[in-house]
Amino acid sequence: EVQLLESGGGLVQPGGSLRLSCAASGFNFKTYAMTWVRKAPGKGLEWVSAISAGGDTTYYAESVKGRFTISRDNSRSTLSLQMNSLRAEDTALYYCAKDHQGVLPDQFDSWGQGTLVTVSS
Amino acid sequence: QSALTQPASVSGSPGQPITISCTGANSDVGSHTSVSWYQQHPGKAPKLMIFDVHYRPSGVSDRFSGSKSGNTASLTISGLQAEDEADYYCASCSSTTYLVFGGGTTLTVL
Repeated sequence: EVQLLESGGGLVQPGGSLRLSCAASGFNFKTYAMTWVRKAPGKGLEWVSAISAGGDTTYYAESVKGRFTISRDNSRSTLSLQMNSLRAEDTALYYCAKDHQGVLPDQFDSWGQGTLVTVSS
Repeated sequence: QSALTQPASVSGSPGQPITISCTGANSDVGSHTSVSWYQQHPGKAPKLMIFDVHYRPSGVSDRFSGSKSGNTASLTISGLQAEDEADYYCASCSSTTYLVFGGGTTLTVL
């Protein structure tokens, strides 16, 4: 059974940093692209960032480009999202998700339960 | 990034069919086959319902179907059931932003 467990969320002041992690199990992690998607309170899903299976290609939404960095450790089956220069509008529940077909991160068939990030003074 | 356009809400009676539209542009829905649909119940994680425009993952009811015409994708649910009441989101690869979601549609089963 595929399991994705996010951690690292919390309350942070504007301008601060957080590092989210996603521990994966139940599938061959190193062969699947992965992504982060967020859902702000009262709003819809927003794609944030994605990474290829090998970790050599990364993708970012314009809203986070230059502030967030996605990475993965295939030896530990872990996905990470380093978030710097956080803003109030980054407040959301952050989900990690596994790509359905593997190579390109575009359609996601397994999701974690999310970790909540709150940016407020 | 501009979200794909979905109706904010749709409703239908049990047993009836409904269709949710997802309108994008030539740079996303119109030129990519990686169009997907997700169902999200309150407090739950999203669930993949349709991928590559019209394919269903294993375990998804065949009451759910997807299609695309030009820049608009559609999700059709035939024979509405109470458990279908949820939020639905479309998503597409994009030549400009890599990936974009729709704004979401709340389905109410009357």
